[in-house]
Amino acid sequence: KAGVTQTPRYLIKTRGQQVTLSCSPISGHRSVSWYQQTPGQGLQFLFEYFSETQRNKGNFPGRFSGRQFSNSRSEMNVSTLELGDSALYLCASSRQGVNTEAFFGQGTRLTVV
Amino acid sequence: QQPVQSPQAVILREGEDAVINCSSSKALYSVHWYRQKHGEAPVFLMILLKGGEQKGHEKISASFNEKKQQSSLYLTASQLSYSGTYFCGTSDRGSTLGRLYFGRGTQLTVWP
Repeated sequence: KAGVTQTPRYLIKTRGQQVTLSCSPISGHRSVSWYQQTPGQGLQFLFEYFSETQRNKGNFPGRFSGRQFSNSRSEMNVSTLELGDSALYLCASSRQGVNTEAFFGQGTRLTVV
Repeated sequence: QQPVQSPQAVILREGEDAVINCSSSKALYSVHWYRQKHGEAPVFLMILLKGGEQKGHEKISASFNEKKQQSSLYLTASQLSYSGTYFCGTSDRGSTLGRLYFGRGTQLTVWP
């Protein structure tokens, strides 16, 4: 079966711009979690969506937002980009949320210049 | 609530064994193990649940000591393909409403 698909794979943006990343989960999976991965901080949890509702949110500023559609596809948006937002953004899908198997997409590599 | 992984790095020869540990200061409900190769996404290896249920890669074995709030991943007869960074993710909630906290990773290098 198809895995988790993230688009685009690579992005280069300038400071102050905004960006939208997309994640299509595995068919039948209703939970999508987003993570930021950097060499210094590791995997940092951004938020989790389940059935179009945000259930959990990590410690990121309000510039980071997300949403989930009725087909479980999810988007995350970062506004007013800063250099420190350069990272690999990963989404993970699972059937029900934590305590069920979660599978990661290939990620979107965002570079802010 | 970030779990602590040890060791931070391991270097092995093909065929050797390794153990990677993950410990938490909080009572755990589940532990998840992933392997990530450079430039790639983390790959699911195994989930261990409180009560003994496990699901995962048939060639990977792991343990979950609920009392000690620890999990260990056992890599036996290592192959070159085992190289990568191993992450554990932990949950301290018994429902599906919580979130995973990930350790900083253990870098495993297997040499021929």
